Amino acid sequence: NAGVTQTPKFQVLKTGQSMTLQCAQDMNHEYMSWYRQDPGMGLRLIHYSVGAGITDQGEVPNGYNVSRSTTEDFPLRLLSAAPSQTSVYFCASSYRVGGINEQFFGPGTRLTVL
Amino acid sequence: DAKTTQPNSMESNEEEPVHLPCNHSTISGTDYIHWYRQLPSQGPEYVIHGLTSNVNNRMASLAIAEDRKSSTLILHRATLRDAAVYYCILRVWVSNFGNEKLTFGTGTRLTIIP
Repeated sequence: NAGVTQTPKFQVLKTGQSMTLQCAQDMNHEYMSWYRQDPGMGLRLIHYSVGAGITDQGEVPNGYNVSRSTTEDFPLRLLSAAPSQTSVYFCASSYRVGGINEQFFGPGTRLTVL
Repeated sequence: DAKTTQPNSMESNEEEPVHLPCNHSTISGTDYIHWYRQLPSQGPEYVIHGLTSNVNNRMASLAIAEDRKSSTLILHRATLRDAAVYYCILRVWVSNFGNEKLTFGTGTRLTIIP
């Protein structure tokens, strides 16, 4: 198993550009989520999904869109990048079994918005 | 949401036990206590979780106070590889979907002294 994979590892954008961060998992997990981590801070939840076709907002959803068309993939779209979105982005996945779920995290995407 | 309080940083000597404290005085009866750690430049990884009883696994032990208002993560014999930020997290139920989300604080930065 590759686990949770994220692409790209690094990205530099100009203000106003759009892009999609990719996340995939090969563990057949139902639950997937996106977090951002700003320097010196903990992770904050952006969006999450409990299965294909079902998504909801987390703590900091503004400026981001998600969709979940398959169990494996959960892309995060930045509609119009802003410097405030400079951060490290982590994707995570977990089983949906009785609510006691170990979450598996990807290696992260480091995004800089100029 | 119930919050956790952890020391910002701790140091420990290599090959000695480490006790990482966490206070969660507003924990509710159904909240599980999770611990994750984040090694430098990596995504978080699961360490252990528990509800009321002490728990052991290959990575660590979790000691939970009888009133559940505090807990302690115990690394029995710290190695240099254990240098990381350790997060104590209370699982929050997402009631409409019956699943969970994790709310990360700033954690405890553990330094291991050779």
